[in-house]
Amino acid sequence: QKEVEQDPGPLSVPEGAIVSLNCTYSNSAFQYFMWYRQYSRKGPELLMYTYSSGNKEDGRFTAQVDKSSKYISLFIRDSQPSDSATYLCAMKETSGSRLTFGEGTQLTVNP
Amino acid sequence: SAVISQKPSRDICQRGTSLTIQCQVDSQVTMMFWYRQQPGQSLTLIATANQGSEATYESGFVIDKFPISRPNLTFSTLTVSNMSPEDSSIYLCSVEESRTSATNEKLFFGSGTQLSVL
Repeated sequence: QKEVEQDPGPLSVPEGAIVSLNCTYSNSAFQYFMWYRQYSRKGPELLMYTYSSGNKEDGRFTAQVDKSSKYISLFIRDSQPSDSATYLCAMKETSGSRLTFGEGTQLTVNP
Repeated sequence: SAVISQKPSRDICQRGTSLTIQCQVDSQVTMMFWYRQQPGQSLTLIATANQGSEATYESGFVIDKFPISRPNLTFSTLTVSNMSPEDSSIYLCSVEESRTSATNEKLFFGSGTQLSVL
């Protein structure tokens, strides 16, 4: 079983839709949770970073963490064609710097 | 955030040859990391490069295949040696930025090197 499970998609939505991206994990030691956005032929770009259960909002993006269920989500409101990318969840234990990534979900927002 | 320059951005190489990928950061960083992203798969950590000491490799990766240099706090290289088509992948350099709290490290990535081995 993988430590981090993420539906690879692809996910296709119309412009303006609310997008929900999800990851589940099995390692209780994960305490830090990140979402990265990766455009084609580019490196991953840090989008959201959180370390507590609950919601964290940044503009159109909301990261949600439920440690009791080992489940994290990224919500994108009013999605735009420029949001079309692969979204990767990543997690880290308290000690060390090693990140464990999900497979990434490929998102396409159609105008 | 740190600005990370990685080159080459892409290369097509022949089987049996080696390629060295360079990573330059615009600020001094303690930790530099090398990741591999194979087609349709997630990022996998190859090794951690620390200045002044040998790199630390993850399970499944060895120094003979992926030698790493870290001559100073702003630069690192990864060499993919004796390449085969299975090495075709994106290779990514990343750095960790620390804040005043030691538990708030964030990882930032370069733009990656797209390697194709024929």
